[in-house]
Amino acid sequence: DAGVIQSPRHEVTEMGQEVTLRCKPISGHNSLFWYRQTMMRGLELLIYFNNNVPIDDSGMPEDRFSAKMPNASFSTLKIQPSEPRDSAVYFCASSFVLRSGANVLTFGAGSRLTVL
Amino acid sequence: AQTVTQSQPEMSVQEAETVTLSCTYDTSESDYYLFWYKQPPSRQMILVIRQEAYKQQNATENRFSVNFQKAAKSFSLKISDSQLGDAAMYFCAYSGPKGYGNKLVFGAGTILRVKS
Repeated sequence: DAGVIQSPRHEVTEMGQEVTLRCKPISGHNSLFWYRQTMMRGLELLIYFNNNVPIDDSGMPEDRFSAKMPNASFSTLKIQPSEPRDSAVYFCASSFVLRSGANVLTFGAGSRLTVL
Repeated sequence: AQTVTQSQPEMSVQEAETVTLSCTYDTSESDYYLFWYKQPPSRQMILVIRQEAYKQQNATENRFSVNFQKAAKSFSLKISDSQLGDAAMYFCAYSGPKGYGNKLVFGAGTILRVKS
């Protein structure tokens, strides 16, 4: 399995531009998570989906952020318009549940976003 | 809300020695799951070890083991025979009961430096 695939790996954009981050989860995983990592705030959960349905988006910072999961093999995180404070590494993770009940997350390599 | 605390921002260990990273958490649940993730400079998040709260036996994965103290809500990671490749940021994480689709709450992380 290729693991969780994220694109782009790096994105540099100017303030006000639209940014779209993409994620392909591991086939067979039922849940998908978007996390943001910054030095100041650490790893923050933005939103997560179960069976393509958004369950908790309370971590989405504001209306400029939106996420979709149109099918089991694809998700996007969009920022419009982008601001310098959105600069961070954005991780996508997908998960499956072990027989023990543990929900094991596998992370993608992350997308480093820089907004100038 | 559940919280995870890692009180050691940074730790150092000599190669081949043993080091213990601390983690405490707060929850009112009796059934939950705990994890340690490693993030090397490549920024890839890698699962190191997991513990089911209903198991009394501490989890072990090769040189990595945990000391799970449920009453004290403590979950420390011990790395034995430390290697240069262990140098990374380590995150403790909590997941609630009924593992399906449950989000992970992360601590702030501990940077581990390994000296040769």
